[in-house]
Amino acid sequence: AQSVTQLGSHVSVSEGALVLLRCNYSSSVPPYLFWYVQYPNQGLQLLLKYTTGATLVKGINGFEAEFKKSETSFHLTKPSAHMSDAAEYFCAVRTGNQFYFGTGTSLTVIP
Amino acid sequence: DSGVTQTPKHLITATGQRVTLRCSPRSGDLSVYWYQQSLDQGLQFLIQYYNGEERAKGNILERFSAQQFPDLHSELNLSSLELGDSALYFCASSGGWTGEDYTFGSGTRLTVV
Repeated sequence: AQSVTQLGSHVSVSEGALVLLRCNYSSSVPPYLFWYVQYPNQGLQLLLKYTTGATLVKGINGFEAEFKKSETSFHLTKPSAHMSDAAEYFCAVRTGNQFYFGTGTSLTVIP
Repeated sequence: DSGVTQTPKHLITATGQRVTLRCSPRSGDLSVYWYQQSLDQGLQFLIQYYNGEERAKGNILERFSAQQFPDLHSELNLSSLELGDSALYFCASSGGWTGEDYTFGSGTRLTVV
């Protein structure tokens, strides 16, 4: 069975500081990996995805993630947090036609 | 606007009742997925339809059912509602059946009182 673990349900960072949201997955086959962001009262918006090729993936709003097969990880980073980054972030793995989502990490940005 | 339209945005109903949630996929997308998001369960996959046919089933209760119509819109029917069914229900669509280009709607917030 596939699973996604997001370490830390709540993360707080200061404005301008590094954002690091952790995601580990288990998958019996090479996975497709995704990060989604959810703003209050909105649906999930795709930030970035890894399917094949380069393991460092760049997404929207300055976010990037690195697929590390040996660590079964796909951590999301952003060099400098902005107030507008405050939201819920979900890591997901797709195998076949099914998505499996992590439980989410709520990011708070402190001015 | 993601292109995926869900109606209604909010729904308040009593226990034991039945409701229908509607989803119109992004233009050209053949697959529709339904998800339930609750505080205690997180984001749970319910069911997928592809071009009118059920393709995959997740943690969907027997009290819940869905269908996809010839015009590709989909409806999720929730019956004999319980307080625990209160949640955000999301619809997503994709072009193919593998879901690589998932697009989510903004959800329907269901409150059962």
